Amino acid sequence: DAGVTQSPTHLIKTRGQQVTLRCSPKSGHDTVSWYQQALGQGPQFIFQYYEEEERQRGNFPDRFSGHQFPNYSSELNVNALLLGDSALYLCASSPRKRARGLETQYFGPGTRLLVL
Amino acid sequence: GDSVTQMEGPVTLSEEAFLTINCTYTATGYPSLFWYVQYPGEGLQLLLKATKADDKGSNKGFEATYRKETTSFHLEKGSVQVSDSAVYFCALEGNFGNEKLTFGTGTRLTIIP
Repeated sequence: DAGVTQSPTHLIKTRGQQVTLRCSPKSGHDTVSWYQQALGQGPQFIFQYYEEEERQRGNFPDRFSGHQFPNYSSELNVNALLLGDSALYLCASSPRKRARGLETQYFGPGTRLLVL
Repeated sequence: GDSVTQMEGPVTLSEEAFLTINCTYTATGYPSLFWYVQYPGEGLQLLLKATKADDKGSNKGFEATYRKETTSFHLEKGSVQVSDSAVYFCALEGNFGNEKLTFGTGTRLTIIP
């Protein structure tokens, strides 16, 4: 059973460019969340997708956008890249509990983005 | 808003020493609490969790008890190994409708032989 997969593993971009990161959730999971982890920090919640809609969003600007596909995979898009966007971007998936919120979130290995 | 405060690192211990990493939280309602571990160059792995007060999560010799009265979820292990060297993150997840994970800043643990 494959876990959460992310692509690419590493990426180098320059300021002002746009980037798309991809995530495939664990089998049986239908909810995907994205997190940004700056060097030496804990992950920060970006947003969460369920049923192809953004359900919850953290304190990130509109330059960060996402999408979820019918097969539950997801993309994170970042426009107008800034140096401060350099970080490890983590995707997490979970099955949605029917009665009370989410099950445990399982994380992928991340995509390390460097903005020059 | 929700927040998690972790014991600052780095922490360096000798093999077979007792480990405690402190974690306290601030949240409304009844959050679920987690410890995640991150090995060098890897993503986060769930270590253990507790979903209600007085629950004890345990895994691989690690334990943590959900203490609502002290809003704490301290991580303990009786005898650490070199392979336990990693960064440990305490996190909480809010109730239905607020299901994001809020993480602490992480504690880097190094075990020396």
